[in-house]
Amino acid sequence: AQSVSQHNHHVILSEAASLELGCNYSYGGTVNLFWYVQYPGQHLQLLLKYFSGDPLVKGIKGFEAEFIKSKFSFNLRKPSVQWSDTAEYFCAVLNTSGTYKYIFGTGTRLKVLA
Amino acid sequence: IAGITQAPTSQILAAGRRMTLRCTQDMRHNAMYWYRQDLGLGLRLIHYSNTAGTTGKGEVPDGYSVSRANTDDFPLTLASAVPSQTSVYFCASRVSGRASDTQYFGPGTRLTVL
Repeated sequence: AQSVSQHNHHVILSEAASLELGCNYSYGGTVNLFWYVQYPGQHLQLLLKYFSGDPLVKGIKGFEAEFIKSKFSFNLRKPSVQWSDTAEYFCAVLNTSGTYKYIFGTGTRLKVLA
Repeated sequence: IAGITQAPTSQILAAGRRMTLRCTQDMRHNAMYWYRQDLGLGLRLIHYSNTAGTTGKGEVPDGYSVSRANTDDFPLTLASAVPSQTSVYFCASRVSGRASDTQYFGPGTRLTVL
């Protein structure tokens, strides 16, 4: 069965620190990959997505993610975090064959200290 | 454009009662989804619908039912609520296509079952 693993459940950083959140998935076929962000009290919003082409994907608010097929990974990065990046981040995989269901990771709660 | 609306915003419910969570989208997306979000478990798919008139079971369907009479509405019903159904429920719709597959989420319904 497909699964998505996010290794860091809670991350605390100071402003201006660099961020990398891990995401690994298990599925051998073609996948589309996503990172969603949920700010406190809000619903999930799309941060970035990968479908094909350049494995380095740039999203909103200075975030980027790199798809490494050989490692089944899609890690999220940001060179310098801000207090406003405090949120929960979810990695998701879309199985593009069959049911077209999204599988979400358990999320990573990021707290950025001012 | 409202996107996805959910009602109610929050609800406290006695165990054994029947409850319907409403979800409406105005984007004419074919696919819609219901998730529950629980601390440490991320988002788990309850039911989905790839198009009006069809529904399917997700990861945690027991105790829930859905219907999809038209494109816009996708209500989720708890026939006889139990305390383990206390959660935040998110409805989502999906626009599909190469390089554009994205899920859009509603604001959520916070349900407490006592």
